[in-house]
Amino acid sequence: EDQVTQSPEALRLQEGESSSLNCSYTVSGLRGLFWYRQDPGKGPEFLFTLYSAGEEKEKERLKATLTKKESFLHITAPKPEDSATYLCAVQARGGSQGNLIFGKGTKLSVKP
Amino acid sequence: ETGVTQTPRHLVMGMTNKKSLKCEQHLGHNAMYWYKQSAKKPLELMFVYSLEERVENNSVPSRFSPECPNSSHLFLHLHTLQPEDSALYLCASSQDYNNEQFFGPGTRLTVL
Repeated sequence: EDQVTQSPEALRLQEGESSSLNCSYTVSGLRGLFWYRQDPGKGPEFLFTLYSAGEEKEKERLKATLTKKESFLHITAPKPEDSATYLCAVQARGGSQGNLIFGKGTKLSVKP
Repeated sequence: ETGVTQTPRHLVMGMTNKKSLKCEQHLGHNAMYWYKQSAKKPLELMFVYSLEERVENNSVPSRFSPECPNSSHLFLHLHTLQPEDSALYLCASSQDYNNEQFFGPGTRLTVL
């Protein structure tokens, strides 16, 4: 069964304290892995798509990496405005069309 | 308007009411989706439409009825809902099935 597990469930950081969020996945062939950011009461905001092991993508203080079993979202010198829930989702090859399998998310809090 | 819009943003309804949620995408995409987001659970895909044709229905109860009159608009018709249907309902769109999905702000539904 295709599955996505994110850890930790919650993470509290001080401003400037770098860290990483983990997304472990089990799929029968990966078509793509997606990272989203979700603020309270809002819809998820697209961040990155990764397609193959070894691929990396960066945007401001965020960097996403991918291996054959997991993805990391590295946050460098975070600011309070980076506080949000970060969601990971995978799409399997041969899976139902358009079906993204989401994890439960990591809630990040960055204190000034 | 830009991106994906949803109305209403909040909805309170009784179990015997009939209401509809509306979604509009201004991105020229070909696929549209309905998701349900409940507390402590991952996003659950409900319906997928491609070029106005429904291609996926993830075992959703018949009290939820989708409608896609054209590639820019998507509706979710609701009738005789249950309190456990209270959740954030999110609409998304993508260029095609294999591309990243862009989400609207959601409709917060409360069923009394």
